[in-house]
Amino acid sequence: QVQLQESGPGLVKPSETLSLTCTVSDGSMSTYDWTWIRQPPGKGLEWIGHIYYSGRTDYNTSLKSRVTISLDTSKTELSLRLRSVTAADTAVYFCARGGSSYDFWGQGTLVTVSS
Amino acid sequence: DIVMTQSPLSLPVTPGEPASISCRSSQSLLYSDGYIYLDWYLQKPGQSPQLLIYLASDRASGVPDRFSGSGSGTDFTLNISRVEAEDVGVYYCMQAVQTPRTFGQGTKLQIK
Repeated sequence: QVQLQESGPGLVKPSETLSLTCTVSDGSMSTYDWTWIRQPPGKGLEWIGHIYYSGRTDYNTSLKSRVTISLDTSKTELSLRLRSVTAADTAVYFCARGGSSYDFWGQGTLVTVSS
Repeated sequence: DIVMTQSPLSLPVTPGEPASISCRSSQSLLYSDGYIYLDWYLQKPGQSPQLLIYLASDRASGVPDRFSGSGSGTDFTLNISRVEAEDVGVYYCMQAVQTPRTFGQGTKLQIK
């Protein structure tokens, strides 16, 4: 059973950069596409973007200017960077395996944006 | 962006009874390869979402056969033949025919 684990600071100050990583237990990062999704408290799911195993990325239109997703295959790590955060970026952030259907998810990590 | 609209948003169901959730997309989800890129996910309380249905009607691994998906073009349905207590949670549809991927608002299934 593949396990995904998100990690990173739980508190980020406004205007700073949110940085999260996702590790995969089975070392399969180089053979799948990977996705980041977030969920504001009490709300629905929002797709952030994904990275294909080729390295190509696609991002949500609303976040495109602030987000970078990258893959470090040697470390089996997926990364998310979201710049210039505001309170509206407070959410549980999930990493998931896949580019169109997400068969494995991390448990999610809550990131609060507050001074 | 493709807009996904679910109904109902709240669904109280008696155990053993069937349930149905509708999802409508603002554009066709039929891709040029002949596949329909529509997924269904269930987020149980306090958990991450889990994949139920992909390509509109294919059950994901380990999903009970009481769950089924149907539809074409822009109108889709998730059916649960006999609801069980463990089925409570929020159900989301998601289109994967183009980026950005977009989700429906979610349908909260509760047990009566």
